[in-house]
Amino acid sequence: EAGVAQSPRYKIIEKRQSVAFWCNPISGHATLYWYQQILGQGPKLLIQFQNNGVVDDSQLPKDRFSAERLKGVDSTLKIQPAKLEDSAVYLCASSRTGSSQPQHFGDGTRLSIL
Amino acid sequence: KNQVEQSPQSLIILEGKNCTLQCNYTVSPFSNLRWYKQDTGRGPVSLTIMTFSENTKSNGRYTATLDADTKQSSLHITASQLSDSASYICVVSGQTGANNLFFGTGTRLTVIP
Repeated sequence: EAGVAQSPRYKIIEKRQSVAFWCNPISGHATLYWYQQILGQGPKLLIQFQNNGVVDDSQLPKDRFSAERLKGVDSTLKIQPAKLEDSAVYLCASSRTGSSQPQHFGDGTRLSIL
Repeated sequence: KNQVEQSPQSLIILEGKNCTLQCNYTVSPFSNLRWYKQDTGRGPVSLTIMTFSENTKSNGRYTATLDADTKQSSLHITASQLSDSASYICVVSGQTGANNLFFGTGTRLTVIP
């Protein structure tokens, strides 16, 4: 099966600019996750979708981050305006429904803020 | 507080040698524990997943163990290869709540010829 697709792979922007990331999960996976991974750390969950509904966004900085999954398939994550501390890799993952289901990760978007 | 701690932070071994990575957690209640391998510049890939009732699971040269009583897990790599160079991340799933996945910070393994 095709894996989780993410784009772009790399993005460089200046602080206070806006940026958007796109994710296409594995077909049939109802659950979609966005993670932020700062260099040398484990991934930190930003938001979890179940189909097109938000299950958990408690760690999403809502003053600058937003995410949507309008049709329950693809998802976009946006940052507006970006701060220096947003420099990280943004990983998208998907899974079938159920806590025992493994997550399948994309290769991420590496964001650098100048 | 739900936490996952991994040790060592980094490890260098010679090709062909064995190694063991540790994961201690305080997540409660517990649902399952997963080990992921993350190559540089790539997303994590699942190696094993173990539930409360399982105390060992293998995936090729990777063998994970779980002691749910002491809340410890280990990942043993046998006959290491250069391609094993990666970060290994331990992830523990709690039973309640939507945000029930707790990630360790990983062990960076380097295998040298």
